[in-house]
Amino acid sequence: DAGVIQSPRHEVTEMGQEVTLRCKPISGHDYLFWYRQTMMRGLELLIYFNNNVPIDDSGMPEDRFSAKMPNASFSTLKIQPSEPRDSAVYFCASSLSAGYGYTFGSGTRLTVV
Amino acid sequence: GIQVEQSPPDLILQEGANSTLRCNFSDSVNNLQWFHQNPWGQLINLFYIPSGTKQNGRLSATTVATERYSLLYISSSQTTDSGVYFCAVEGNTPLVFGKGTRLSVIA
Repeated sequence: DAGVIQSPRHEVTEMGQEVTLRCKPISGHDYLFWYRQTMMRGLELLIYFNNNVPIDDSGMPEDRFSAKMPNASFSTLKIQPSEPRDSAVYFCASSLSAGYGYTFGSGTRLTVV
Repeated sequence: GIQVEQSPPDLILQEGANSTLRCNFSDSVNNLQWFHQNPWGQLINLFYIPSGTKQNGRLSATTVATERYSLLYISSSQTTDSGVYFCAVEGNTPLVFGKGTRLSVIA
């Protein structure tokens, strides 16, 4: 299994631009999670899906952030418009079911200048 | 929500030394994982250990769920063990991460 695949690995964009991060979970995993890692706040959950349905998006910081999961093999996290404070590493993870181990992707390092 | 505390926050070891990292959590959990974040930023899953003891090479982990703590043992440390070690727990909400233990192994 190729694991959780995220793209791009690095993204540098200008303030105000739209940014789209992508994730392909492990096949057969029912849960997908988006986390953000910053120096100040550590690793924090943004949103998670169960069987492609968003369950809890209370961690999404602002309306500028949105996430979708159109099918079981693909999810996107979009920031529009981006701001310098959005600079962070964004991780996607998937899990077979509740209570099972999570597998994380390699992350996307986002820099907004 | 559930609280996760890791200690120590920083640790410097001479190559070959042993160490114990601790994770305390504030509520019952159905999932506990230890991760190693390497210098390239990747989160590598070390153990899925909601209870009991597991070993993988020089690493082992023990979780005592009734007392709400977990320990990660690193024996005969190597420079490649450097990085940040995270404990994360799942109770009624998805994985909540501690702040990590930053380990530096010096040759």
